[in-house]
Amino acid sequence: EIVLTQSPGTLSLSPGERATLSCKASQSVSSGYLAWYQQKPGQAPRLLTYAASFRATGIPDRFSGSGSGTDFTLTISRLEPDDFAVYYCQQYHLSPGTFGPGTKVEIK
Amino acid sequence: EMQLVESGGDLVQPGGSLRVSCAASGFSFRTYEMSWVRQAPGKGLEWVSYISSTGSTRSYADSVEGRFTISRDNAKNSLYLQMNSLRAEDTAVYYCARHVGYFDSWGQGTRVTVSS
Repeated sequence: EIVLTQSPGTLSLSPGERATLSCKASQSVSSGYLAWYQQKPGQAPRLLTYAASFRATGIPDRFSGSGSGTDFTLTISRLEPDDFAVYYCQQYHLSPGTFGPGTKVEIK
Repeated sequence: EMQLVESGGDLVQPGGSLRVSCAASGFSFRTYEMSWVRQAPGKGLEWVSYISSTGSTRSYADSVEGRFTISRDNAKNSLYLQMNSLRAEDTAVYYCARHVGYFDSWGQGTRVTVSS
C-alpha cells in the first residue's frame, strides 16, 4: 500500500497570498496518478486536479498541480476567501487508492 | 447535470446491519465504475469499496472485508452498500463516488452512527 504524507498539517495565510501544499508518497506514483480534492465543512470533497497537473472541469486556473515520482504539490496562486478549506491528495496508481491525511488552509 | 444522492444512513446498534443507497442521474451509470468512501467524524477520507461497471469485480478495504457488500442495479441507476456486524469504528459519513481511478463526482453523503 502506498502511504501519502501531506505537509504542513495546517497552513495559515491571508487572502491574496500564495499557498503551497505538499504530498509525498512512500513509493513512486507511476504516470503521476495523483489527484487533489478540496473539502469544506459539511460538504463532500470536490475534485481539483488529476494526473498530477490536469485541472478538473470548472476549477479556476489559480489552482495548479505539479510533481512526479514521490513528490507532488498543489499551488493556489492567490487565495480567495472561498479557498479556505481542507485539501487531500490521493494516489490511484496502486489499488486501493489511498488518501493523504489532509492539509487545512486557514485564514491568518 | 450529473447527480449522486445517498440515502439510508441511520443510528444502529453495534452488531447491527444497515443498507445505504446511492441514486445516480445525469450520466450513463451503467458504463461507470463506482466506489464508496467514508469519513469518520473529524477524520480524513477512507476508501471503503469498489465495484466495476457490470458488477463482476468488487473489492473492499481490509477494515470492512467480510462484513460489507457492495452491489449495483444498473436498471435502477443505483449503488448499494450492505453493512453487517457494524462496529463503533464504522461511524462515518458514507459517500458514493464515481470512480475513474480518481473520484470525479461525489454525492453529499449519508451519516451512519453505530452506538448503543
